[in-house]
Amino acid sequence: KAGVTQTPRYLIKTRGQQVTLSCSPISGHRSVSWYQQTPGQGLQFLFEYFSETQRNKGNFPGRFSGRQFSNSRSEMNVSTLELGDSALYLCASSLGALASEQYFGPGTRLTVT
Amino acid sequence: AQSVTQLDSQVPVFEEAPVELRCNYSSSVSVYLFWYVQYPNQGLQLLLKYLSGSTLVKGINGFEAEFNKSQTSFHLRKPSVHISDTAEYFCAVSLKTSYDKVIFGPGTSLSVIP
Repeated sequence: KAGVTQTPRYLIKTRGQQVTLSCSPISGHRSVSWYQQTPGQGLQFLFEYFSETQRNKGNFPGRFSGRQFSNSRSEMNVSTLELGDSALYLCASSLGALASEQYFGPGTRLTVT
Repeated sequence: AQSVTQLDSQVPVFEEAPVELRCNYSSSVSVYLFWYVQYPNQGLQLLLKYLSGSTLVKGINGFEAEFNKSQTSFHLRKPSVHISDTAEYFCAVSLKTSYDKVIFGPGTSLSVIP
């Protein structure tokens, strides 16, 4: 069974631009969660989608948004990039039930200059 | 609100020695508890989880953890570490009523010294 894939793996953007990251979950998984990982803040929950609906949301500004398609693939968008958005963005998929094991992708390393 | 504390940011240990990585959590409601491992340039992998029942949980790669409700702790242990255990370890919690919202601790960097 293929694992969680994230594209692109690396990305360099300029301040003020916007970016879209993609996550393809494990086949059969209906939940996709997104996390931001930085040296200073650690792993922070962004949001979670289940069956195309946002089910949970972390404490991030509205510049961070996401969506999920009918095939469970998910995209995350960050608009008006700031230097502080430089981070490793991880997505995780699961079956979506309580305490379901989350399977993480390798992440997208975003650098904002 | 829930929070997770990992008291040691870095833990160096000699190969074949035992190790304990400490985790304490704070929550006003019942939670599930997890330990994840992250190898360099990779995503996270679940080591073990506590949902209910026996407080001693065994995971992959010879790791185990013990849930202590009175001390709100979930320490991770391994009796004999290998070089390949060098990685970042994250303790995490999720509410029993909240689907997939996982709160992670700051992580502990385990360095195994040959």
